[in-house]
Amino acid sequence: GIQVEQSPPDLILQEGANSTLRCNFSDSVNNLQWFHQNPWGQLINLFYIPSGTKQNGRLSATTVATERYSLLYISSSQTTDSGVYFCAVDPGSSNTGKLIFGQGTTLQVKP
Amino acid sequence: NAGVTQTPKFQVLKTGQSMTLQCAQDMNHEYMSWYRQDPGMGLRLIHYSVGAGITDQGEVPNGYNVSRSTTEDFPLRLLSAAPSQTSVYFCASSQTSGVSTQYFGPGTRLTVL
Repeated sequence: GIQVEQSPPDLILQEGANSTLRCNFSDSVNNLQWFHQNPWGQLINLFYIPSGTKQNGRLSATTVATERYSLLYISSSQTTDSGVYFCAVDPGSSNTGKLIFGQGTTLQVKP
Repeated sequence: NAGVTQTPKFQVLKTGQSMTLQCAQDMNHEYMSWYRQDPGMGLRLIHYSVGAGITDQGEVPNGYNVSRSTTEDFPLRLLSAAPSQTSVYFCASSQTSGVSTQYFGPGTRLTVL
């Protein structure tokens, strides 16, 4: 099956710093999503981004489907950005509603 | 619009007991799925459904059973709980076409003694 790898596994930032999280996937996908799991365990969808670039405030994401990777950019980080960031893909040629998750990047933003 | 709801939030079982985790969504989504999350790991798909009456297995289906009698509800049954099923369980839903963003419930933390 498809493999989804995220890097780095852990990241510690000072408030105000920028960071880039990476997601590599081993096969073609029809759907890629980024999620933030906050310290209380809630999973929040950040981006639905099978290809191209999207921005939402201080966050942006880029997916290069032909090269099988996606990047999540966090600018001017805040302590509320702490938590685990997951990349998840729906493999195959059409939407199935099934997601394969990476292992996540744990981010800690220090004041 | 409550989104995806799950009950209970916490549950403790003894080995061998059975129980049902409830999941409901009010967004008229056709796709629903169950995932489990173990410490330090990503989520793994247990079972999923593409509509009422249609279910299929995910990556880790053993020990779990599902059914989908309505669009709104997708319960997950543990047939005979084992300590290996101690985990946090998430239910999710999404639409079938267009921007199929997946929405997650708040999770159920299950401990099997």
